[in-house]
Amino acid sequence: DVKVTQSSRYLVKRTGEKVFLECVQDMDHENMFWYRQDPGLGLRLIYFSYDVKMKEKGDIPEGYSVSREKKERFSLILESASTNQTSMYLCASQGIPQPQHFGDGTRLSIL
Amino acid sequence: GQQLNQSPQSMFIQEGEDVSMNCTSSSIFNTWLWYKQDPGEGPVLLIALYKAGELTSNGRLTAQFGITRKDSFLNISASIPSDVGIYFCAGQESGNTPLVFGKGTRLSVIA
Repeated sequence: DVKVTQSSRYLVKRTGEKVFLECVQDMDHENMFWYRQDPGLGLRLIYFSYDVKMKEKGDIPEGYSVSREKKERFSLILESASTNQTSMYLCASQGIPQPQHFGDGTRLSIL
Repeated sequence: GQQLNQSPQSMFIQEGEDVSMNCTSSSIFNTWLWYKQDPGEGPVLLIALYKAGELTSNGRLTAQFGITRKDSFLNISASIPSDVGIYFCAGQESGNTPLVFGKGTRLSVIA
Protein backbone atom coordinates (compact mmCIF):
# COMPACT_ATOMS: atom_id res chain seq x y z
CA ASP A 1 0.00 0.00 0.00
CA VAL A 2 1.09 3.54 -0.76
CA LYS A 3 1.91 5.52 2.36
CA VAL A 4 2.08 9.31 2.27
CA THR A 5 2.84 10.75 5.70
CA GLN A 6 2.37 14.38 6.66
CA SER A 7 4.27 15.36 9.77
CA SER A 8 1.41 17.08 11.60
CA ARG A 9 -2.37 16.68 11.53
CA TYR A 10 -2.95 20.02 13.28
CA LEU A 11 -0.67 23.02 13.56
CA VAL A 12 -1.14 26.48 15.06
CA LYS A 13 1.33 29.25 14.22
CA ARG A 14 1.52 33.02 14.53
CA THR A 15 1.51 35.64 11.82
CA GLY A 16 5.00 36.27 10.48
CA GLU A 17 6.43 32.92 11.52
CA LYS A 18 8.26 30.70 9.08
CA VAL A 19 6.33 27.44 8.86
CA PHE A 20 7.51 24.09 7.56
CA LEU A 21 5.11 21.35 6.47
CA GLU A 22 6.76 18.00 5.83
CA CYS A 23 5.63 15.15 3.61
CA VAL A 24 7.26 11.76 3.23
CA GLN A 25 6.37 8.88 0.90
CA ASP A 26 7.76 5.37 1.08
CA MET A 27 7.12 4.16 -2.48
CA ASP A 28 10.06 5.74 -4.34
CA HIS A 29 7.62 7.93 -6.28
CA GLU A 30 8.99 10.45 -8.72
CA ASN A 31 6.22 13.03 -8.44
CA MET A 32 5.09 14.89 -5.34
CA PHE A 33 2.53 17.66 -4.92
CA TRP A 34 1.29 20.20 -2.39
CA TYR A 35 -2.33 21.41 -2.43
CA ARG A 36 -4.42 23.59 -0.19
CA GLN A 37 -8.12 22.97 0.29
CA ASP A 38 -10.59 25.66 1.27
CA PRO A 39 -14.41 25.53 1.49
CA GLY A 40 -15.99 26.43 -1.82
CA LEU A 41 -12.65 26.55 -3.64
CA GLY A 42 -11.78 22.86 -3.84
CA LEU A 43 -8.19 21.66 -4.10
CA ARG A 44 -5.69 24.14 -5.49
CA LEU A 45 -2.17 23.20 -6.52
CA ILE A 46 0.60 25.18 -4.82
CA TYR A 47 3.80 23.49 -6.03
CA PHE A 48 4.86 20.17 -7.46
CA SER A 49 8.08 18.30 -8.11
CA TYR A 50 8.98 15.66 -10.67
CA ASP A 51 12.41 14.85 -9.28
CA VAL A 52 14.91 15.64 -6.57
CA LYS A 53 15.90 19.32 -6.44
CA MET A 54 13.29 20.08 -9.07
CA LYS A 55 10.15 22.18 -8.50
CA GLU A 56 7.36 23.70 -10.55
CA LYS A 57 4.86 26.39 -9.58
CA GLY A 58 1.24 25.40 -9.43
CA ASP A 59 -1.77 27.70 -9.54
CA ILE A 60 -1.20 29.56 -6.26
CA PRO A 61 2.54 29.60 -5.37
CA GLU A 62 2.62 33.12 -3.90
CA GLY A 63 3.75 33.14 -0.28
CA TYR A 64 5.06 29.59 -0.46
CA SER A 65 8.27 27.81 -1.37
CA VAL A 66 9.23 24.14 -1.47
CA SER A 67 12.24 21.93 -1.00
CA ARG A 68 12.98 18.48 -2.34
CA GLU A 69 16.46 17.45 -1.27
CA LYS A 70 15.62 13.75 -1.16
CA LYS A 71 13.26 11.77 -3.36
CA GLU A 72 11.04 10.65 -0.50
CA ARG A 73 10.56 14.04 1.13
CA PHE A 74 8.80 17.17 -0.13
CA SER A 75 8.60 20.18 2.18
CA LEU A 76 6.27 23.15 1.91
CA ILE A 77 7.52 26.40 3.45
CA LEU A 78 5.46 29.42 4.39
CA GLU A 79 8.11 32.14 4.39
CA SER A 80 6.14 34.57 6.56
CA ALA A 81 2.80 33.11 7.59
CA SER A 82 -0.31 35.20 7.15
CA THR A 83 -3.88 34.63 8.33
CA ASN A 84 -5.06 34.00 4.75
CA GLN A 85 -2.86 30.91 4.71
CA THR A 86 -5.05 29.24 7.30
CA SER A 87 -6.19 26.14 5.44
CA MET A 88 -6.07 22.38 5.04
CA TYR A 89 -2.82 21.39 3.30
CA LEU A 90 -2.64 18.12 1.41
CA CYS A 91 0.43 16.37 0.09
CA ALA A 92 0.24 13.77 -2.67
CA SER A 93 2.71 11.49 -4.41
CA GLN A 94 2.60 9.63 -7.66
CA GLY A 95 4.67 6.94 -9.30
CA ILE A 96 4.19 6.93 -13.05
CA PRO A 97 1.92 5.46 -14.41
CA GLN A 98 0.00 5.09 -11.14
CA PRO A 99 -2.51 7.67 -9.86
CA GLN A 100 -1.83 10.21 -7.11
CA HIS A 101 -2.23 9.18 -3.49
CA PHE A 102 -2.80 11.69 -0.72
CA GLY A 103 -1.66 12.05 2.84
CA ASP A 104 -4.10 12.69 5.70
CA GLY A 105 -3.64 16.45 5.53
CA THR A 106 -2.40 19.15 7.89
CA ARG A 107 -4.94 21.60 9.23
CA LEU A 108 -2.95 24.81 9.69
CA SER A 109 -4.22 27.78 11.65
CA ILE A 110 -2.39 31.10 11.53
CA LEU A 111 -3.29 33.43 14.40
CA GLY B 1 -6.19 27.28 -12.98
CA GLN B 2 -8.59 25.00 -14.79
CA GLN B 3 -11.29 23.18 -12.87
CA LEU B 4 -13.76 20.53 -13.82
CA ASN B 5 -17.52 21.00 -13.65
CA GLN B 6 -18.74 18.50 -11.09
CA SER B 7 -22.41 18.01 -10.28
CA PRO B 8 -24.38 17.93 -8.20
CA GLN B 9 -22.67 20.01 -5.51
CA SER B 10 -24.53 18.15 -2.78
CA MET B 11 -27.01 15.32 -2.40
CA PHE B 12 -29.28 14.13 0.39
CA ILE B 13 -30.47 10.58 -0.16
CA GLN B 14 -32.15 7.79 1.74
CA GLU B 15 -30.14 4.75 2.73
CA GLY B 16 -30.50 2.09 0.05
CA GLU B 17 -30.90 4.53 -2.83
CA ASP B 18 -28.58 4.68 -5.81
CA VAL B 19 -26.45 7.78 -6.43
CA SER B 20 -25.09 9.31 -9.61
CA MET B 21 -22.64 12.17 -10.04
CA ASN B 22 -20.63 13.42 -12.98
CA CYS B 23 -17.80 15.61 -14.14
CA THR B 24 -17.38 17.45 -17.40
CA SER B 25 -14.45 19.27 -18.92
CA SER B 26 -13.75 21.51 -21.88
CA SER B 27 -10.45 19.67 -22.33
CA ILE B 28 -9.64 16.08 -23.20
CA PHE B 29 -8.13 13.93 -20.48
CA ASN B 30 -6.35 10.60 -20.76
CA THR B 31 -6.98 9.62 -17.16
CA TRP B 32 -10.02 10.12 -14.95
CA LEU B 33 -9.89 9.51 -11.22
CA TRP B 34 -12.50 9.46 -8.47
CA TYR B 35 -11.61 10.13 -4.83
CA LYS B 36 -13.59 10.16 -1.60
CA GLN B 37 -12.75 12.42 1.34
CA ASP B 38 -14.04 11.90 4.86
CA PRO B 39 -14.14 14.90 7.25
CA GLY B 40 -10.67 15.86 8.45
CA GLU B 41 -8.95 13.27 6.26
CA GLY B 42 -7.14 13.27 2.94
CA PRO B 43 -8.83 12.08 -0.28
CA VAL B 44 -8.70 8.34 -0.86
CA LEU B 45 -8.59 6.92 -4.38
CA LEU B 46 -11.72 4.96 -5.32
CA ILE B 47 -11.42 4.27 -9.03
CA ALA B 48 -8.93 5.07 -11.80
CA LEU B 49 -9.93 5.08 -15.48
CA TYR B 50 -7.41 5.05 -18.32
CA LYS B 51 -9.33 4.36 -21.53
CA ALA B 52 -12.22 6.12 -23.26
CA GLY B 53 -15.42 4.12 -22.78
CA GLU B 54 -13.96 2.14 -19.89
CA LEU B 55 -16.40 1.02 -17.21
CA THR B 56 -14.80 0.01 -13.90
CA SER B 57 -16.32 -1.19 -10.64
CA ASN B 58 -15.09 -1.21 -7.07
CA GLY B 59 -17.67 -2.95 -4.92
CA ARG B 60 -20.87 -0.89 -5.06
CA LEU B 61 -19.12 1.87 -6.99
CA THR B 62 -19.02 2.02 -10.76
CA ALA B 63 -17.29 4.70 -12.81
CA GLN B 64 -17.15 5.36 -16.52
CA PHE B 65 -14.66 7.19 -18.72
CA GLY B 66 -16.72 9.10 -21.29
CA ILE B 67 -16.28 8.33 -24.98
CA THR B 68 -15.41 11.95 -25.76
CA ARG B 69 -12.75 11.86 -23.00
CA LYS B 70 -14.30 15.06 -21.66
CA ASP B 71 -16.49 13.54 -18.98
CA SER B 72 -16.79 10.83 -16.36
CA PHE B 73 -19.55 9.41 -14.18
CA LEU B 74 -19.62 7.76 -10.77
CA ASN B 75 -22.51 5.64 -9.56
CA ILE B 76 -22.99 4.26 -6.06
CA SER B 77 -25.56 1.52 -5.67
CA ALA B 78 -27.57 0.76 -2.53
CA SER B 79 -26.04 3.58 -0.46
CA ILE B 80 -25.15 3.02 3.20
CA PRO B 81 -24.34 5.53 5.97
CA SER B 82 -20.56 5.14 5.56
CA ASP B 83 -20.86 6.46 1.99
CA VAL B 84 -21.20 9.92 3.53
CA GLY B 85 -18.39 12.23 2.47
CA ILE B 86 -17.17 14.39 -0.38
CA TYR B 87 -16.50 12.78 -3.74
CA PHE B 88 -14.00 14.41 -6.10
CA CYS B 89 -13.34 13.77 -9.74
CA ALA B 90 -9.95 14.54 -11.25
CA GLY B 91 -8.63 14.52 -14.79
CA GLN B 92 -5.08 14.21 -16.02
CA GLU B 93 -3.77 14.86 -19.51
CA SER B 94 -0.72 12.66 -19.12
CA GLY B 95 1.22 10.94 -16.35
CA ASN B 96 3.48 13.93 -15.86
CA THR B 97 0.91 16.70 -15.74
CA PRO B 98 -0.91 17.88 -12.60
CA LEU B 99 -4.43 16.71 -11.83
CA VAL B 100 -7.36 19.01 -12.48
CA PHE B 101 -10.06 18.61 -9.84
CA GLY B 102 -13.78 19.13 -9.60
CA LYS B 103 -15.08 21.01 -6.56
CA GLY B 104 -16.63 17.89 -5.13
CA THR B 105 -20.06 16.38 -4.45
CA ARG B 106 -21.05 16.30 -0.80
CA LEU B 107 -23.11 13.18 -0.13
CA SER B 108 -25.37 12.81 2.89
CA VAL B 109 -27.17 9.55 3.57
CA ILE B 110 -30.28 9.53 5.74
CA ALA B 111 -30.80 6.26 7.58
